[in-house]
Amino acid sequence: EPEVTQTPSHQVTQMGQEVILRCVPISNHLYFYWYRQILGQKVEFLVSFYNNEISEKSEIFDDQFSVERPDGSNFTLKIRSTKLEDSAMYFCASSEDWTDPNTGELFFGEGSRLTVL
Amino acid sequence: GNSVTQMEGPVTLSEEAFLTINCTYTATGYPSLFWYVQYPGEGLQLLLKATKADDKGSNKGFEATYRKETTSFHLEKGSVQVSDSAVYFCALSSPGGYQKVTFGTGTKLQVIP
Repeated sequence: EPEVTQTPSHQVTQMGQEVILRCVPISNHLYFYWYRQILGQKVEFLVSFYNNEISEKSEIFDDQFSVERPDGSNFTLKIRSTKLEDSAMYFCASSEDWTDPNTGELFFGEGSRLTVL
Repeated sequence: GNSVTQMEGPVTLSEEAFLTINCTYTATGYPSLFWYVQYPGEGLQLLLKATKADDKGSNKGFEATYRKETTSFHLEKGSVQVSDSAVYFCALSSPGGYQKVTFGTGTKLQVIP
């Protein structure tokens, strides 16, 4: 069964360092997303991406964050200068569509745990 | 804005017990409602969904009914198994799209033999 894969599964970094989280969405999907979950808190929407551009972003997704689809298969989330409060589980998701309830299901990866020291 | 409130866990049940996890929501219009499950070490998986009022979503013995009058979408299962141990997330999306799913805080379920 097709699945969304994420790397790395866990990354530890120093505050102020740049981090890139990678995702390979399901191959025929066109819509891509990043969500995050700070330990013990809600899963929060960060950004959605379609046709090589951001379609929506939350207030969390500030100038320190960027997304890119560099090669037609990967979908990356970059944090330029990490802060302690960026420590969280980051989930990538993809969907075939978002307007049709029958095809709009989000498929999530297993998550990348980021620890900022 | 949209929000989802679900009962806090952890919930500990014996095998074959009845499960209810409460979920209520606040949203404009008619959102789609979901339950996601996260098994240990795995990602979020869609468990079931309902896209309009009075719809019942069901999967793997779990059920939830979209109740617009009470803005609720409670998850139930008649007889839980140890393998159901996981974190369960109630969620909603705005009418017409899944783009921005709003999640609850999650409820951890532990089923003991």
